[in-house]
Amino acid sequence: GPKVLQIPSHQIIDMGQMVTLNCDPVSNHLYFYWYKQILGQQMEFLVNFYNGKVMEKSKLFKDQFSVERPDGSYFTLKIQPTALEDSAVYFCASSLAQGGAETLYFGSGTRLTVL
Amino acid sequence: AQKVTQTQTSISVMEKTTVTMDCVYETQDSSYFLFWYKQTASGEIVFLIRQDSYKKENATVGHYSLNFQKPKSSIGLIITATQIEDSAVYFCAMSDDTNAYKVIFGKGTHLHVLP
Repeated sequence: GPKVLQIPSHQIIDMGQMVTLNCDPVSNHLYFYWYKQILGQQMEFLVNFYNGKVMEKSKLFKDQFSVERPDGSYFTLKIQPTALEDSAVYFCASSLAQGGAETLYFGSGTRLTVL
Repeated sequence: AQKVTQTQTSISVMEKTTVTMDCVYETQDSSYFLFWYKQTASGEIVFLIRQDSYKKENATVGHYSLNFQKPKSSIGLIITATQIEDSAVYFCAMSDDTNAYKVIFGKGTHLHVLP
């Protein structure tokens, strides 16, 4: 089936540093998402991105977070500066249409460890 | 408010039996979409099956089927003839018109299929 690629699979950084998580969504998909999962628990919605704009974000999407997809390249999640509580697995997802009408396709996740 | 509740944290069943995983949802909208996803031990998240609120017939895909009880706001996942490889965490999720840009997940049910 369609594949979403996430780079890197693991990232270890020191608290206060900046980190960028990269996502290569399914080629013809238009809607992009980031989810946060801690210790294999609940998938928490962070943000939805469409047509160059954030359509919706949760309270977990702190001011230190930002997303972009410059010129159809990677869809990125940037955290600057990072905090200890940002340690989690971050999943990128994409869909052809908005999430309510279409299935989400997920990447394999990036495990972020903030020391 | 949109909410998805999975009360079963963990279920163990014998191989080749049938298992039902429960999910209850909350929404103010008359139109909504319900999904089940599976997360394997490797962390991969895979879409399994969906039910659109306006459809009366329960969805079926392979050995997965849904028990959609609209008056009870319930969408159970039924797996028949379980296999060892069905062992995973199963997430119930939903989206509705008010929250069209995000898909909300439950906390997941860990299924253990025993030989």
